[in-house]
Amino acid sequence: QQQVKQSPQSLIVQKGGISIINCAYENTAFDYFPWYQQFPGKGPALLIAIRPDVSEKKEGRFTISFNKSAKQFSLHIMDSQPGDSATYFCAGNYGGSQGNLIFGKGTKLSVKP
Amino acid sequence: DGGITQSPKYLFRKEGQNVTLSCEQNLNHDAMYWYRQDPGQGLRLIYYSQIVNDFQKGDIAEGYSVSREKKESFPLTVTSAQKNPTAFYLCASSRRQGAYEQYFGPGTRLTVT
Repeated sequence: QQQVKQSPQSLIVQKGGISIINCAYENTAFDYFPWYQQFPGKGPALLIAIRPDVSEKKEGRFTISFNKSAKQFSLHIMDSQPGDSATYFCAGNYGGSQGNLIFGKGTKLSVKP
Repeated sequence: DGGITQSPKYLFRKEGQNVTLSCEQNLNHDAMYWYRQDPGQGLRLIYYSQIVNDFQKGDIAEGYSVSREKKESFPLTVTSAQKNPTAFYLCASSRRQGAYEQYFGPGTRLTVT
């Protein structure tokens, strides 16, 4: 059973536009919701993360919006640049001594110049 | 220069052979993880270890084995029992089990023919 559902699978945006990636989760036991960015042939790297008691978190051009009642969260990339072209993964984190990350299936973003 | 190293970057094996993928970290992290990445499937957890001499099965452990004899090292063996071993394998570490920030290595692409 997929616990974190991510959409869309792929996204094409013009340079300067806003990229929006959506995720939905089922398990209310997650204690953090991170986003990871992966460039081709590389390992993922943490981009930004949010706690479930916060509705929005912004870091530079990247913003997470979180809707606890709807069990949804999204990543907004403002003023998208070709260098943002990568695959983005949302995740839910189970904290605690046996905790792990549960990843969405990823969104491949292409920003056209 | 702290980080995670995985070797080799590309690995080719014949069907029926066991193969071991290397993962080393110098971040002094307690927890280490192995993920498998297939196109459109996201990151799936194979095994994880929260401390030396201890490891647990993840979601897709069948056909894989690991060891954690040193804090810095967490090698993964892909055995001949793994039905579809061709994939991109990622090693990661975190300060402790359950931390949402995981640091990933560059990955090993394994091709079995």
